[in-house]
Amino acid sequence: DTGVSQDPRHKITKRGQNVTFRCDPISEHNRLYWYRQTLGQGPEFLTYFQNEAQLEKSRLLSDRFSAERPKGSFSTLEIQRTEQGDSAMYLCASSTGLASEQYFGPGTRLTVT
Amino acid sequence: AQSVTQLDSQVPVFEEAPVELRCNYSSSVSVYLFWYVQYPNQGLQLLLKYLSGSTLVKGINGFEAEFNKSQTSFHLRKPSVHISDTAEYFCAVRRNRDDKIIFGKGTRLHILP
Repeated sequence: DTGVSQDPRHKITKRGQNVTFRCDPISEHNRLYWYRQTLGQGPEFLTYFQNEAQLEKSRLLSDRFSAERPKGSFSTLEIQRTEQGDSAMYLCASSTGLASEQYFGPGTRLTVT
Repeated sequence: AQSVTQLDSQVPVFEEAPVELRCNYSSSVSVYLFWYVQYPNQGLQLLLKYLSGSTLVKGINGFEAEFNKSQTSFHLRKPSVHISDTAEYFCAVRRNRDDKIIFGKGTRLHILP
Protein backbone atom coordinates (compact mmCIF):
# COMPACT_ATOMS: atom_id res chain seq x y z
CA ASP A 1 0.00 0.00 0.00
CA THR A 2 1.53 3.25 -1.14
CA GLY A 3 -0.72 5.73 0.59
CA VAL A 4 -3.44 8.09 -0.57
CA SER A 5 -3.43 8.71 -4.30
CA GLN A 6 -5.09 11.47 -6.27
CA ASP A 7 -5.76 11.83 -9.96
CA PRO A 8 -5.04 13.93 -11.89
CA ARG A 9 -2.11 15.72 -10.26
CA HIS A 10 -2.67 18.81 -12.39
CA LYS A 11 -5.70 20.08 -14.24
CA ILE A 12 -6.03 23.18 -16.40
CA THR A 13 -9.51 24.10 -17.47
CA LYS A 14 -11.39 27.02 -18.93
CA ARG A 15 -13.85 28.98 -16.87
CA GLY A 16 -17.30 27.46 -17.07
CA GLN A 17 -16.14 23.89 -17.66
CA ASN A 18 -16.83 21.02 -15.28
CA VAL A 19 -13.98 19.07 -13.67
CA THR A 20 -13.83 15.90 -11.61
CA PHE A 21 -11.05 14.73 -9.32
CA ARG A 22 -10.54 11.29 -7.88
CA CYS A 23 -9.09 10.21 -4.54
CA ASP A 24 -8.14 6.68 -3.59
CA PRO A 25 -7.65 6.36 0.16
CA ILE A 26 -5.45 3.91 1.99
CA SER A 27 -7.27 0.60 1.89
CA GLU A 28 -9.45 -0.11 4.92
CA HIS A 29 -9.51 3.57 5.88
CA ASN A 30 -13.19 4.26 6.39
CA ARG A 31 -12.90 8.05 6.69
CA LEU A 32 -12.08 10.25 3.72
CA TYR A 33 -11.64 14.03 3.73
CA TRP A 34 -11.38 16.77 1.13
CA TYR A 35 -9.51 20.02 1.77
CA ARG A 36 -8.75 23.00 -0.48
CA GLN A 37 -5.53 24.96 -0.31
CA THR A 38 -5.20 28.30 -2.07
CA LEU A 39 -1.91 30.10 -2.64
CA GLY A 40 -0.40 31.37 0.57
CA GLN A 41 -3.00 29.75 2.77
CA GLY A 42 -3.29 26.60 4.81
CA PRO A 43 -5.66 23.84 3.75
CA GLU A 44 -9.35 24.46 4.45
CA PHE A 45 -11.79 21.68 5.23
CA LEU A 46 -14.44 21.00 2.58
CA THR A 47 -16.17 17.74 3.49
CA TYR A 48 -15.68 14.25 4.85
CA PHE A 49 -17.14 10.77 4.53
CA GLN A 50 -17.42 7.82 6.80
CA ASN A 51 -17.70 4.89 4.44
CA GLU A 52 -20.21 6.08 1.82
CA ALA A 53 -22.00 8.59 4.08
CA GLN A 54 -21.12 12.26 3.74
CA LEU A 55 -21.15 13.44 7.35
CA GLU A 56 -20.18 17.09 7.16
CA LYS A 57 -19.89 19.80 4.53
CA SER A 58 -18.21 23.16 4.94
CA ARG A 59 -19.93 26.36 3.90
CA LEU A 60 -17.03 26.66 1.44
CA LEU A 61 -18.65 23.85 -0.51
CA SER A 62 -21.02 25.82 -2.72
CA ASP A 63 -23.77 24.19 -4.75
CA ARG A 64 -21.34 23.96 -7.68
CA PHE A 65 -19.32 21.42 -5.70
CA SER A 66 -20.38 17.84 -5.15
CA ALA A 67 -18.51 14.96 -3.59
CA GLU A 68 -19.34 11.28 -3.62
CA ARG A 69 -17.98 8.07 -2.23
CA PRO A 70 -20.42 5.57 -3.69
CA LYS A 71 -18.96 2.30 -2.45
CA GLY A 72 -17.07 3.56 0.54
CA SER A 73 -13.74 3.27 -1.22
CA PHE A 74 -12.60 5.95 -3.69
CA SER A 75 -14.17 9.39 -3.78
CA THR A 76 -14.79 11.96 -6.48
CA LEU A 77 -15.03 15.73 -6.16
CA GLU A 78 -16.80 17.50 -9.00
CA ILE A 79 -16.83 21.23 -9.63
CA GLN A 80 -19.42 22.49 -12.09
CA ARG A 81 -19.15 25.74 -14.02
CA THR A 82 -15.65 26.43 -12.74
CA GLU A 83 -14.65 29.96 -11.80
CA GLN A 84 -11.18 31.49 -11.52
CA GLY A 85 -11.59 31.55 -7.77
CA ASP A 86 -11.71 27.74 -7.80
CA SER A 87 -8.02 27.64 -8.73
CA ALA A 88 -6.36 25.84 -5.83
CA MET A 89 -4.78 22.62 -4.66
CA TYR A 90 -7.41 20.04 -3.70
CA LEU A 91 -6.14 17.66 -1.05
CA CYS A 92 -7.59 14.34 -0.02
CA ALA A 93 -6.87 12.56 3.24
CA SER A 94 -7.98 9.33 4.86
CA SER A 95 -8.03 7.85 8.33
CA THR A 96 -9.20 4.79 10.21
CA GLY A 97 -11.71 6.69 12.35
CA LEU A 98 -12.51 9.55 14.68
CA ALA A 99 -9.43 11.17 16.18
CA SER A 100 -7.09 8.99 14.11
CA GLU A 101 -4.24 10.48 12.12
CA GLN A 102 -5.21 11.75 8.69
CA TYR A 103 -2.89 10.73 5.86
CA PHE A 104 -2.78 13.18 2.98
CA GLY A 105 -2.43 12.56 -0.72
CA PRO A 106 -0.23 14.65 -3.04
CA GLY A 107 -3.13 16.82 -4.16
CA THR A 108 -4.66 17.90 -7.45
CA ARG A 109 -3.67 21.37 -8.59
CA LEU A 110 -6.51 23.06 -10.48
CA THR A 111 -5.92 26.09 -12.66
CA VAL A 112 -8.96 27.82 -14.12
CA THR A 113 -8.14 30.16 -17.01
CA ALA B 1 -14.76 28.19 16.93
CA GLN B 2 -11.13 27.24 16.78
CA SER B 3 -8.48 29.24 14.98
CA VAL B 4 -4.75 29.01 14.46
CA THR B 5 -2.28 31.87 14.06
CA GLN B 6 1.19 31.32 12.72
CA LEU B 7 3.03 34.47 13.57
CA ASP B 8 5.67 34.33 10.84
CA SER B 9 4.94 33.76 7.16
CA GLN B 10 8.63 33.18 6.40
CA VAL B 11 11.60 32.30 8.57
CA PRO B 12 15.15 32.40 7.18
CA VAL B 13 17.77 30.53 9.18
CA PHE B 14 21.33 29.43 8.54
CA GLU B 15 22.09 25.75 8.15
CA GLU B 16 22.94 24.05 11.46
CA ALA B 17 21.38 26.91 13.43
CA PRO B 18 18.38 26.39 15.73
CA VAL B 19 14.89 27.42 14.65
CA GLU B 20 11.55 28.10 16.30
CA LEU B 21 8.30 28.38 14.35
CA ARG B 22 5.59 30.04 16.37
CA CYS B 23 1.96 28.99 16.63
CA ASN B 24 -0.91 30.25 18.77
CA TYR B 25 -4.39 28.83 18.83
CA SER B 26 -7.76 29.79 20.21
CA SER B 27 -10.46 27.40 21.28
CA SER B 28 -13.09 27.25 23.99
CA VAL B 29 -12.85 23.47 24.21
CA SER B 30 -10.13 20.89 24.52
CA VAL B 31 -8.19 20.36 21.33
CA TYR B 32 -5.57 18.24 19.71
CA LEU B 33 -2.62 20.10 18.18
CA PHE B 34 -0.51 19.18 15.18
CA TRP B 35 2.38 20.30 13.05
CA TYR B 36 2.46 19.23 9.42
CA VAL B 37 5.21 19.74 6.84
CA GLN B 38 4.67 20.22 3.12
CA TYR B 39 7.63 19.79 0.80
CA PRO B 40 7.42 21.37 -2.66
CA ASN B 41 4.80 19.73 -4.86
CA GLN B 42 3.91 17.19 -2.22
CA GLY B 43 1.06 16.56 0.18
CA LEU B 44 1.13 17.13 3.92
CA GLN B 45 3.11 14.93 6.27
CA LEU B 46 2.52 14.80 10.01
CA LEU B 47 5.55 15.96 11.99
CA LEU B 48 4.12 15.58 15.47
CA LYS B 49 0.95 15.79 17.49
CA TYR B 50 -0.19 16.66 20.99
CA LEU B 51 -3.20 14.74 22.26
CA SER B 52 -2.66 14.72 26.04
CA GLY B 53 0.00 14.01 28.61
CA SER B 54 3.51 15.41 28.42
CA THR B 55 3.57 18.93 27.07
CA LEU B 56 6.85 18.35 25.22
CA VAL B 57 6.20 16.36 22.09
CA LYS B 58 8.91 14.85 19.93
CA GLY B 59 8.34 14.24 16.26
CA ILE B 60 10.12 13.08 13.17
CA ASN B 61 13.25 14.59 11.64
CA GLY B 62 14.46 15.94 15.00
CA PHE B 63 11.57 18.36 15.53
CA GLU B 64 9.81 18.91 18.83
CA ALA B 65 7.02 21.15 20.08
CA GLU B 66 5.86 22.34 23.46
CA PHE B 67 2.21 22.75 24.38
CA ASN B 68 1.63 25.75 26.64
CA LYS B 69 -1.98 25.91 27.75
CA SER B 70 -1.71 29.21 29.61
CA GLN B 71 -0.25 30.94 26.57
CA THR B 72 -2.31 28.88 24.08
CA SER B 73 0.85 28.19 22.12
CA PHE B 74 2.36 25.20 20.39
CA HIS B 75 5.74 26.35 19.04
CA LEU B 76 7.85 24.05 16.88
CA ARG B 77 11.60 23.81 17.43
CA LYS B 78 14.64 22.11 16.00
CA PRO B 79 18.13 22.54 17.51
CA SER B 80 20.00 22.31 14.19
CA VAL B 81 18.38 22.64 10.77
CA HIS B 82 19.49 21.02 7.55
CA ILE B 83 18.97 22.14 3.97
CA SER B 84 16.47 19.29 3.58
CA ASP B 85 14.20 21.02 6.12
CA THR B 86 13.31 23.61 3.50
CA ALA B 87 9.52 23.37 3.34
CA GLU B 88 6.29 24.94 4.49
CA TYR B 89 5.16 24.12 8.00
CA PHE B 90 1.54 24.20 9.12
CA CYS B 91 0.25 24.32 12.64
CA ALA B 92 -3.21 22.81 13.05
CA VAL B 93 -5.87 22.19 15.65
CA ARG B 94 -8.75 19.77 15.97
CA ARG B 95 -11.44 19.57 18.62
CA ASN B 96 -11.12 16.30 20.45
CA ARG B 97 -14.62 15.26 19.42
CA ASP B 98 -14.42 16.62 15.93
CA ASP B 99 -12.79 15.34 12.81
CA LYS B 100 -11.96 18.29 10.63
CA ILE B 101 -8.59 19.93 11.06
CA ILE B 102 -8.21 23.71 11.15
CA PHE B 103 -4.88 24.80 9.69
CA GLY B 104 -2.85 27.96 10.10
CA LYS B 105 -1.63 29.86 7.05
CA GLY B 106 1.78 28.24 7.16
CA THR B 107 5.38 29.32 7.74
CA ARG B 108 7.91 28.92 4.96
CA LEU B 109 11.28 27.84 6.32
CA HIS B 110 14.26 29.03 4.25
CA ILE B 111 17.56 27.39 5.04
CA LEU B 112 20.52 29.62 4.17
CA PRO B 113 23.86 27.99 3.29
